[in-house]
Amino acid sequence: DTAVSQTPKYLVTQMGNDKSIKCEQNLGHDTMYWYKQDSKKFLKIMFSYNNKELIINETVPNRFSPKSPDKAHLNLHINSLELGDSAVYFCASSQESLTGVAYNEQFFGPGTRLTVL
Amino acid sequence: KNQVEQSPQSLIILEGKNCTLQCNYTVSPFSNLRWYKQDTGRGPVSLTIMTFSENTKSNGRYTATLDADTKQSSLHITASQLSDSASYICVVSGGYQKVTFGTGTKLQVIP
Repeated sequence: DTAVSQTPKYLVTQMGNDKSIKCEQNLGHDTMYWYKQDSKKFLKIMFSYNNKELIINETVPNRFSPKSPDKAHLNLHINSLELGDSAVYFCASSQESLTGVAYNEQFFGPGTRLTVL
Repeated sequence: KNQVEQSPQSLIILEGKNCTLQCNYTVSPFSNLRWYKQDTGRGPVSLTIMTFSENTKSNGRYTATLDADTKQSSLHITASQLSDSASYICVVSGGYQKVTFGTGTKLQVIP
């Protein structure tokens, strides 16, 4: 009964390829996120998405695109992979308050380690 | 620029000892501050969350404090256990979906 799951756990691919990482949450949350954790263990938010709006961190290249087929899923598509995309990618979800303040606990998935060769 | 700085970067302590991790932030406006624990190879797990009006919150052997005036927070771990070995991340929210992560403190508890 995993709360937030991601697949695959490891992804090794060649530069220039297009790949996807899947994320699913069974918590009934209304907001999902994608984070990138680099080699220095610094976590940086890439996207947050609920059924109303997608908020994109302006520093994220447009090669990255989130796609949400339904409320429980937020997949991450990456086009034309580059060496610098190598990192661990975490999906998370939370139930945000009606006031719009990010108060509630975020539950993280186990991460996907992406290696671009 | 919104920043969250943590100290020390890394820490080694003996099992059973106490330790305190520090977090200073410049995020404004301020909504809440959270401490996460991240075990190696896993996603972060929330330990505590505090809003502007809260100055202390406990979760078992973990006690977080917040001084919103000086923009400082600390995480105190009592009677450390080997399982406390992890990275501890301070996260400050400045509003809806405006979240700034600290770089973390890597704690190693040795027998």
